Amino acid sequence: GQQLNQSPQSMFIQEGEDVSMNCTSSSIFNTWLWYKQDPGEGPVLLIALYKAGELTSNGRLTAQFGITRKDSFLNISASIPSDVGIYFCAGLNGNKLVFGAGTILRVKS
Amino acid sequence: DTAVSQTPKYLVTQMGNDKSIKCEQNLGHDTMYWYKQDSKKFLKIMFSYNNKELIINETVPNRFSPKSPDKAHLNLHINSLELGDSAVYFCASSQVPMNTEAFFGQGTRLTVV
Repeated sequence: GQQLNQSPQSMFIQEGEDVSMNCTSSSIFNTWLWYKQDPGEGPVLLIALYKAGELTSNGRLTAQFGITRKDSFLNISASIPSDVGIYFCAGLNGNKLVFGAGTILRVKS
Repeated sequence: DTAVSQTPKYLVTQMGNDKSIKCEQNLGHDTMYWYKQDSKKFLKIMFSYNNKELIINETVPNRFSPKSPDKAHLNLHINSLELGDSAVYFCASSQVPMNTEAFFGQGTRLTVV
């Protein structure tokens, strides 16, 4: 089946640092989504990308849909303590949403 | 107002029991889903319903049976619970079958002892 490789698995960074994570796949996706999951909660959508090459920002978050449609990255600038959580990429092809394994982000203040 | 709400939030039960998890969405969406998140936090789709019709049925034991009485509700019934069923189960909904983002509930943490 389709799989997404998300990296890094976890990050422990200093408050104020920038963060970068990415997802790659051997399959083409028509849509890329980035979600954040806080402890005890469900995933919440951060950014949706619908076109190859698209670069979209949401506050301190920036995500890009790779030109080959097989990858996407998410950057977080000037991290703050409330950025901690698990970040998931998800690729959509047809009617199925496939999730990456998640990146656990921890922030030292 | 909670957009996607599922109950209960926690469920502890013995092996062999039958249990149900309920989900309701007030977003007016046509499509609802059940996802399973394992101990490694991996999210995998189980089922999807569009307007009360099953459209995605992944390789899931037939002890798991979804039921959609109307398009705002999608319940998950599990028969003969096993230890390996312990996980967090998430309900989600989207406007139409997956051409827009999915909104997730808070999850139901199922522990089978």
